[in-house]
Amino acid sequence: QSALTQPASVSGSPGQSITISCTGTSSDVGGYNYVSWYQQHPGKAPKLMIYDVSNRPSGVSNRFSGSKSGNTASLTISGLQAEDEADYYCSSYANSGTLEVFGGGTKLTVL
Amino acid sequence: EVQLVQSGAEVKKPGESLKVSCKGSGYSFPNYWIDWVRQMPGKGLEWMGTIYPGDSETRYSPSFQGQVTMSADKSISTAYLAWSSLKASDTAMYYCARRRQQWLETPFDIWGQGTTVTVSS
Repeated sequence: QSALTQPASVSGSPGQSITISCTGTSSDVGGYNYVSWYQQHPGKAPKLMIYDVSNRPSGVSNRFSGSKSGNTASLTISGLQAEDEADYYCSSYANSGTLEVFGGGTKLTVL
Repeated sequence: EVQLVQSGAEVKKPGESLKVSCKGSGYSFPNYWIDWVRQMPGKGLEWMGTIYPGDSETRYSPSFQGQVTMSADKSISTAYLAWSSLKASDTAMYYCARRRQQWLETPFDIWGQGTTVTVSS
């Protein structure tokens, strides 16, 4: 099972919005509404930001939103803040071989 | 507070065995799947497998099947990840993570702090 495809890096200025894509197949992203997004700051454990495509856990800012179209899911961060600078990983439930597959990760730089 | 606390950093030689632990607290440990995730230096997250502490049912990623062993002792709320013969390529950070609900189609809502494993001669 190949990793989901994410851009290696994205950047934006404070206050702007950015979107990170996550492309899979019909066996994972396209087949289920079980896409999650995780934020990881350097030296820290990942943190759940979005689950089931578009749901936010309690305590996560509403500046973070998720969506999906076909085999591609997206994470949008609006009103960028310096603290958003981190690595972001998508993941999806999968039905072939492996139960879970992660994206390769996207490094977000806030300029 | 719901949390997972992992055992400390390990430095091992190739061919040695190792078992790292992940202790849960603040919730009903037997009833939630615990997964293991590898992060090699400077790289992304890789799903290794999952275990249900209630009955020790395990599911492994094909990439890790036969390379590691997952186990759990529900009496002490602890999950384990073990290697019988380490390789240099096992050098990585290993995270345990709890699934948000009591089934597999749910995300990881609680993560351990990670255990660094270094394998070097």
